[in-house]
Amino acid sequence: EAQVTQNPRYLITVTGKKLTVTCSQNMNHEYMSWYRQDPGLGLRQIYYSMNVEVTDKGDVPEGYKVSRKEKRNFPLILESPSPNQTSLYFCASSEGATGNTIYFGEGSWLTVV
Amino acid sequence: EDQVTQSPEALRLQEGESSSLNCSYTVSGLRGLFWYRQDPGKGPEFLFTLYSAGEEKEKERLKATLTKKESFLHITAPKPEDSATYLCAVRNSGYALNFGKGTSLLVTP
Repeated sequence: EAQVTQNPRYLITVTGKKLTVTCSQNMNHEYMSWYRQDPGLGLRQIYYSMNVEVTDKGDVPEGYKVSRKEKRNFPLILESPSPNQTSLYFCASSEGATGNTIYFGEGSWLTVV
Repeated sequence: EDQVTQSPEALRLQEGESSSLNCSYTVSGLRGLFWYRQDPGKGPEFLFTLYSAGEEKEKERLKATLTKKESFLHITAPKPEDSATYLCAVRNSGYALNFGKGTSLLVTP
């Protein structure tokens, strides 16, 4: 079954405490990306990766880092989380940047206090 | 700058009452217009991808159409289980995906 798996699904953390949200896909997809979803703002792209070792900024990259050392994994790193990064985060993948279908994970609810 | 505007923001229908959701867009080099369904607290679920004006796709009670400026998601004889937020997104020539804010659909029995 095609899956994009995110962990943790729910997290409450404190300001400044580094955290990583993992994302893994089992479809051998080249293209992966991260989004955040906030009320009234919709889904906004944070970072994306066209392939291993190739990453680029999306619309709202400030405060986030990513890495793509393996094709299946694309972790999102918050080096020093702040309350304005409280949000619902989604990882997505597709077969190449022009893939017909983009699959999303179930989401990670992050609260920074 | 790419823009995606969905209307209405919210729509309430009676079961069986057909209607359409609109997605207006401006994009630099369209490389696909996507429709997703999202249930509360869940990830977006893929519905359709359209690539060129005139293209249409159907799935059960849903039909998506595309023109050069907008896309419609037609819902025929909706059922309560069709209640969800429907998202539209466009992919531009640089492969970035831009989402609209969605239409929240409620279908009552």
